[in-house]
Amino acid sequence: DAKTTQPPSMDCAEGRAANLPCNHSTISGNEYVYWYRQIHSQGPQYIIHGLKNNETNEMASLIITEDRKSSTLILPHATLRDTAVYYCIVRAPLPGTYKYIFGTGTRLKVLA
Amino acid sequence: DVKVTQSSRYLVKRTGEKVFLECVQDMDHENMFWYRQDPGLGLRLIYFSYDVKMKEKGDIPEGYSVSREKKERFSLILESASTNQTSMYLCASTTAGTGIYEQYFGPGTRLTVT
Repeated sequence: DAKTTQPPSMDCAEGRAANLPCNHSTISGNEYVYWYRQIHSQGPQYIIHGLKNNETNEMASLIITEDRKSSTLILPHATLRDTAVYYCIVRAPLPGTYKYIFGTGTRLKVLA
Repeated sequence: DVKVTQSSRYLVKRTGEKVFLECVQDMDHENMFWYRQDPGLGLRLIYFSYDVKMKEKGDIPEGYSVSREKKERFSLILESASTNQTSMYLCASTTAGTGIYEQYFGPGTRLTVT
């Protein structure tokens, strides 16, 4: 699975959009980009995933560059409850493979 | 609503004790996982199971064993707990299929071995 690079920490003002970048320059054609977050003392929570098209759900939007070497998770109106560590993961959905490799993520702090 | 539950949020055990961590999911998922999470090391996979009575070693299986007698339940066993097994333990489950699926995590068990 491709390696990802994320900034260790970011701040965002409450009510503003939080844009979390992820670099995955060695991504392969069949690898998806997944985002999870982990609020303090809780288990990770799935946010969104995508292959090459931009994706949106009720939690966030995922923007993947055309060359797929990087992506951005957008929380459109960040709240204090969005303070968490955000993980970008790249993996291929091959039959019989289940492992996710969680790195150290980006610690997002939403400021009042 | 999707749910993965773990038997304890906090656990304190003594060195040498046998420790059981239980995980139950109510989503009829085929795949279940045990991870441990340590500061600076991220999540590391200990074991996973893709079916009842089936198991596969993850990246750090030493010192651990697992049991899956029923589809909804996956147990992690520390045969003889040691201080270096003090950690946050996370259980997760997913459905089988194409592999394009998200993992649902439990709240975690923070284990301290003294």
